[in-house]
Amino acid sequence: KAGVTQTPRYLIKTRGQQVTLSCSPISGHRSVSWYQQTPGQGLQFLFEYFSETQRNKGNFPGRFSGRQFSNSRSEMNVSTLELGDSALYLCASSLDVESYEQYFGPGTRLTVT
Amino acid sequence: DQQVKQNSPSLSVQEGRISILNCDYTNSMFDYFLWYKKYPAEGPTFLISISSIKDKNEDGRFTVFLNKSAKHLSLHIVPSQPGDSAVYFCAASEYQFYFGTGTSLTVIP
Repeated sequence: KAGVTQTPRYLIKTRGQQVTLSCSPISGHRSVSWYQQTPGQGLQFLFEYFSETQRNKGNFPGRFSGRQFSNSRSEMNVSTLELGDSALYLCASSLDVESYEQYFGPGTRLTVT
Repeated sequence: DQQVKQNSPSLSVQEGRISILNCDYTNSMFDYFLWYKKYPAEGPTFLISISSIKDKNEDGRFTVFLNKSAKHLSLHIVPSQPGDSAVYFCAASEYQFYFGTGTSLTVIP
């Protein structure tokens, strides 16, 4: 079974631009969560989607948004990029909202200059 | 405010010895705890978990201990192997997952 895939793997953007990251969960997994990883901060929860609905949202500004499609694939968008948005963005999928075991993708490394 | 803390950024252990990674949390409502291992350029990989109703869970060389009164979680790896060298994250769940900042384990051959 294929793992979680994220595209692109690396991205360089300029401050003020917007970016869209994509995540394809493991086949059959319906829950997708997004995390931001920065040095010294660990993984910070962004949001979780299940059946195309956002179930939970972390403490991030409204510039960060996401959505989930009917095939469980998910995208996250960051508008008006700031230098502090430079991070590794990780997507994780799980079977459903009751499942504690999450499977992570390799992440998208975003650099904002 | 960090609800899950890993106070040791790094740990070095000789091959064959025990590795003990520690994690502290502040929220008594957490109902599930997990450990993940992360290699460079890869996403975290699930390692082992424990429910808040238990105090110990074993899986091969890996054992997780939960001390609810102390709000403390630990991962024991016995015996440690060079392939265990990675960053280890603990995580706790209450509606969403809260992760620690990670401990980089180096197992010296």
